[in-house]
Amino acid sequence: DIQMTQSPSSLSASVGDRVTITCRASQGISNNLAWFQHTPGKVPKLLFFAASTLQSGVPSRFSGSGSGTDFTLTISSLQPEDVATYYCQNYNSAPRTFGQGTKVEIK
Amino acid sequence: EVQLVESGGGLVKPGGSLRLSCAASGFTFSNAWMTWVRQAPGKGLEWVGLIKSRTDGGTTDYAAPVKGRFTISRDDSRNTVYLEMHSLKTEDTAVYYCMNLYFGYWGLGTVVTVSS
Repeated sequence: DIQMTQSPSSLSASVGDRVTITCRASQGISNNLAWFQHTPGKVPKLLFFAASTLQSGVPSRFSGSGSGTDFTLTISSLQPEDVATYYCQNYNSAPRTFGQGTKVEIK
Repeated sequence: EVQLVESGGGLVKPGGSLRLSCAASGFTFSNAWMTWVRQAPGKGLEWVGLIKSRTDGGTTDYAAPVKGRFTISRDDSRNTVYLEMHSLKTEDTAVYYCMNLYFGYWGLGTVVTVSS
């Protein structure tokens, strides 16, 4: 089974900081990776499909990259509304596992 | 407007069964692959399983912890996907969401509590 490993598991950064979250697959999944943002009390929100395809309505300060086994989610300038837990998900093949999540907080 | 509405959650004893439903509207459900995801208290998102559209074979895949105990089915005439859960364990306690990955649609979730 494919394992998805995110790092870090949590981070604290200042408003305006550049934030990077990485997601590593235990085997190649091409670009079949999604990123979700999960804010407490809300349903998860799809940020990226196909690793780097920004979904409609998602601010351009978010970017996604990667292919194969290594992927990155970057927030170019962290805003207070970005406080959330971020998850990557493999959808290349079953089991379509999520990473364990990265909790992002404001310092 | 797209809507996914889960129902059927509740309190059940260990070893019991429950059937969750997810009613969809606002998109062409028959073409959609539908996924069940859960989140246990204090834990992250966990993929539970998937059912493909009938035109793509209608097949299902499951996560290892639920394989053999959970069954996903769909009724395209009712725009509904189901999650039938048997031999429930306390570790199945979670909020259960249905979702469509391609469009990023999620329901609000339904709570399943397995406790004696």
